[in-house]
Amino acid sequence: SQTIHQWPATLVQPVGSPLSLECTVEGTSNPNLYWYRQAAGRGLQLLFYSVGIGQISSEVPQNLSASRPQDRQFILSSKKLLLSDSGFYLCAWSRQLETEAFFGQGTRLTVV
Amino acid sequence: KQEVTQIPAALSVPEGENLVLNCSFTDSAIYNLQWFRQDPGKGLTSLLLIQSSQREQTSGRLNASLDKSSGRSTLYIAASQPGDSATYLCAVNTDKLIFGTGTRLQVFP
Repeated sequence: SQTIHQWPATLVQPVGSPLSLECTVEGTSNPNLYWYRQAAGRGLQLLFYSVGIGQISSEVPQNLSASRPQDRQFILSSKKLLLSDSGFYLCAWSRQLETEAFFGQGTRLTVV
Repeated sequence: KQEVTQIPAALSVPEGENLVLNCSFTDSAIYNLQWFRQDPGKGLTSLLLIQSSQREQTSGRLNASLDKSSGRSTLYIAASQPGDSATYLCAVNTDKLIFGTGTRLQVFP
């Protein structure tokens, strides 16, 4: 069976510090991978998606970047965090763009 | 631009009631529609996936319907239980998932 792991579960970081959130998927190959952000009182916003190693599509201009160094690894990064980067970050995967998506347990990021 | 709306935003009901949660979307060109459950501070759990060619899907006490032409989906929860308390999200897939803002459900004993 397939599983998706995200870490850390919670993170408190000062403004201006770097960020690295990691997501890995087990039990499948060549998954489509996604990063979403859920801000307080708002819906889920797609940040990045990837259909293969090194292939990253950005949905919104922002202070974040994503990388996919391995087939089942997706990393969300920032060089300098802003207060507005606070939120709940969710990683997801699907076999193809049009198939069922499965989510990780999320990372609660608080920028102080 | 695809927009997804969920009504009601919040719902509080006594245990045992049958519930209907609504989801509407503006563009019928979708691959599928997915219903999720989210517990506080947790990730999303997939409940049901309805392909664009399907009319409904059932899983236990849950039944989801899809009327693509009118841009509507409903999630029916039969005999609600306190353990059903959570936020329910619908998402349409247009090669990426577009989410509604959810319905926060509370079922009290």
